[in-house]
Amino acid sequence: AIQMTQSPTSLSASVGDRVTITCRASQGIRNDLGWYQQKPGKAPRLLIYAASSIQSGVPSRFSGSGSDTDFTLTISSLQPEDFATYYCLQDYNYPRTFGQGTKLEIK
Amino acid sequence: EVQLVESGGGLVQPGGSLRLSCSASGFTFSGNWMTWVRQAPGKGLEWVANINQEGSDKNYLDSVKGRFTISRDNAKNSLYLQMNSLRAEDTAMYYCARDSSPQRSGSFFDAFDIWGQGTTVTVSS
Repeated sequence: AIQMTQSPTSLSASVGDRVTITCRASQGIRNDLGWYQQKPGKAPRLLIYAASSIQSGVPSRFSGSGSDTDFTLTISSLQPEDFATYYCLQDYNYPRTFGQGTKLEIK
Repeated sequence: EVQLVESGGGLVQPGGSLRLSCSASGFTFSGNWMTWVRQAPGKGLEWVANINQEGSDKNYLDSVKGRFTISRDNAKNSLYLQMNSLRAEDTAMYYCARDSSPQRSGSFFDAFDIWGQGTTVTVSS
């Protein structure tokens, strides 16, 4: 199975900060990658698919980039509602695999 | 309203069975791949299985192959996960999700755009 490694595992930031989360695949996955946000006690929410395509309804401060093995999720200006855990997910092959998650906390 | 509602979770002894259901409404259920994702307490997300629109193509996480079976009934707008030979490590919140399968540059991608609220499975004696 393809291993997805996110960094950092946790991150403290302030409202208004620019934040970048990275996801590295153990082998090339083209651009077959999505990003999800999860808040405590809630189901995940789709943010990005195909590495850089933003899901309808997601604020434009979220963006994704990358291909092959290295990917990033960027939040251009953190808002209070963005403090959550973020996961990448590869859909290059089966089984699909998630990264271990990045917890974004308020500084 | 577009929604997914899971049911069927509960407490079961190791080696036991459970059948999870996911009821869909507000969209054309038969038009989408569907997926099960789980989350153990305090842990990250784990993809479990998916199924195509007709129910003819199914894929599984290695650790559940031979024990779990995903299925669907398009006439009832329902997705199922039959779980047998349950183990303590199967304890988790189980979510069903719709895959909108968007196409970009001729390729289809996974995009789990609608999620249920989850149903809890606890495997313990």
